[in-house]
Amino acid sequence: DGGITQSPKYLFRKEGQNVTLSCEQNLNHDAMYWYRQDPGQGLRLIYYSQIVNDFQKGDIAEGYSVSREKKESFPLTVTSAQKNPTAFYLCASKGQDPEQYFGPGTRLTVT
Amino acid sequence: GIQVEQSPPDLILQEGANSTLRCNFSDSVNNLQWFHQNPWGQLINLFYIPSGTKQNGRLSATTVATERYSLLYISSSQTTDSGVYFCAGTNAGNNRKLIWGLGTSLAVNP
Repeated sequence: DGGITQSPKYLFRKEGQNVTLSCEQNLNHDAMYWYRQDPGQGLRLIYYSQIVNDFQKGDIAEGYSVSREKKESFPLTVTSAQKNPTAFYLCASKGQDPEQYFGPGTRLTVT
Repeated sequence: GIQVEQSPPDLILQEGANSTLRCNFSDSVNNLQWFHQNPWGQLINLFYIPSGTKQNGRLSATTVATERYSLLYISSSQTTDSGVYFCAGTNAGNNRKLIWGLGTSLAVNP
């Protein structure tokens, strides 16, 4: 099955710990994206990558880091520098057509 | 930057009713998409509609790019239509970043 997977579905961490969220796609898409969604809000772009070994900051990159070593994978690390990390995190990818397609998301709770 | 305004913010329908959701843009947008976020958080692509009209079953969408708005029509609503509907588009200067509205939260009651 072609698609985008994110793991884990739910993640709990203590304040001060870094945590890495996984995003994998087998759609052969070049571009991948990370978004953050807070309750009752739209999506805000954290980082995006147009091609392997390259990525750009989105609108709210502070406190986050990413890597893009493989086309299929775009992991997001939420660092201890992120002031309010509790949120719903969505990964997306885009191929040659203009549409972005989304994974199921990871709900991160930091206490 | 471009602002995306969606209306209404909240909507409650009885099953079987029809509704129209609206998306207004403050400037020209490209690559307009409509999404449905189900109660589990999954975002589902509904339409890619930079201009014109498309239909898919009980849903249809119309974008009038020159007037900077898009409409999503839901006919004969069902409880499974509940969730949040988002529109998003890219601006002419940067087609790599989607700009999102805050969504319309729809509840369809049986």
